[in-house]
This record gives sequence, structure tokens and C-alpha cells, in this order.
Amino acid sequence: DAGVTQSPTHLIKTRGQHVTLRCSPISGHKSVSWYQQVLGQGPQFIFQYYEKEERGRGNFPDRFSARQFPNYSSELNVNALLLGDSALYLCASSHTGTGNTIYFGEGSWLTVV
Amino acid sequence: QQQVKQSPQSLIVQKGGISIINCAYENTAFDYFPWYQQFPGKGPALLIAIRPDVSEKKEGRFTISFNKSAKQFSLHIMDSQPGDSATYFCAASKGSNYKLTFGKGTLLTVNP
Repeated sequence: DAGVTQSPTHLIKTRGQHVTLRCSPISGHKSVSWYQQVLGQGPQFIFQYYEKEERGRGNFPDRFSARQFPNYSSELNVNALLLGDSALYLCASSHTGTGNTIYFGEGSWLTVV
Repeated sequence: QQQVKQSPQSLIVQKGGISIINCAYENTAFDYFPWYQQFPGKGPALLIAIRPDVSEKKEGRFTISFNKSAKQFSLHIMDSQPGDSATYFCAASKGSNYKLTFGKGTLLTVNP
């Protein structure tokens, strides 16, 4: 079975631009979460979606938004990019809303110049 | 506010030795404590996890020890191998499928 897949794997954007990152969860998984991992740090929770509803939001500005589609895939959008948004963005999926293991994808490396 | 504190930041161990990484948490509502292993260029992979109703869990060469009263938990890697060289993250959450709060990570190097 395919794991959590993310695209693109690497991208470079200019300050002020917008970026969309995409995630396909493991087949059968209905919950998707997004994390930001700055170099040398642990992942930081951004959003969780379950059954297309936002279930949780971390301490990130409104420039960050996300959504989940009927097929349970998800997009993370970041507007007005700042240099500090440069990071590895990780998507994770799990089978149900509670009680199951979270599996991470390999991430999308975003560099803002 | 760092809710999960991890130490050491880096660790060098000889092949066959024991690697020990420690974490402390602040939020007593946390009830799920996983450890993740991350290789360069890869996403974190779940290694082992524990709930506070047990004090120890072992899976192969990996053991979690949990001290609820001290709000601490640790990862022990027995017979460490060069292939174990990676960054290890402890994490905590309320429920096993919700917002994980991660430590800052420990870079483990196992010398041959």
C-alpha cells in the first residue's frame, strides 16, 4: 500500500508569493494533519482535518489555511510568504478521528527567497 | 512555551552500546507518548509509543520507560547499530490521533 504522498517535494518561492502544498493520505484514512518542521527543530502542529471538518489549529497566523476534499486529500495554502516560512511541511494521516497511529509523509521542502 | 523538553541535543555511541534519550513534559492531560525516528530527507516514522497506564514498553531493541509522577519518559536503544544513526523525536498528545507536541530532537550517531 502507498504511504502518505505529498507534492511537490521541493519548491522555491519569492517573499510575498502564495504556495499550495498537496497531500494524499493512506487509503482508508480519513484524518489529515499538517506540521511545519524548521531545520533543526521538531515538527510543529498547524492543522488537523477529519471528515473534511477542521478539528484543530495550531498557533500559526491566518496566512496559513487548509482544506480537505471529499476523497480525503488535503491542501495547505500559505499566503504572503515570509523568509521564516522556509521549512519542511509534513502531512500526516490516520485512520479515524481518535485512537489510531499517525503516519507521516516525506514532506515538501519550501524555500522562500 | 515548550511543553516537551528533550535531551540531549546530540549523542554519540559506539556500536553495541546503549543509547538513552530523555524527555519531560508539562501538560498532565497528555496521555500518549510516541517516539519518532527521522532520517535525513525523510518524514518521521513511528518507532514505539506508550500510554501512562504502563511504566515500560519494549519492542525489540527499543524500550520506553515512563515515570508518570516525574512527568518524564525515555527511550533506550540496546545494542545500538550504525543504522540507528538518525534524529529521534519524543512527542506527546491528548489521545493518540490528535495534535502531537514534539521535542526538539536528538541527533544520534552510532560509530562502527
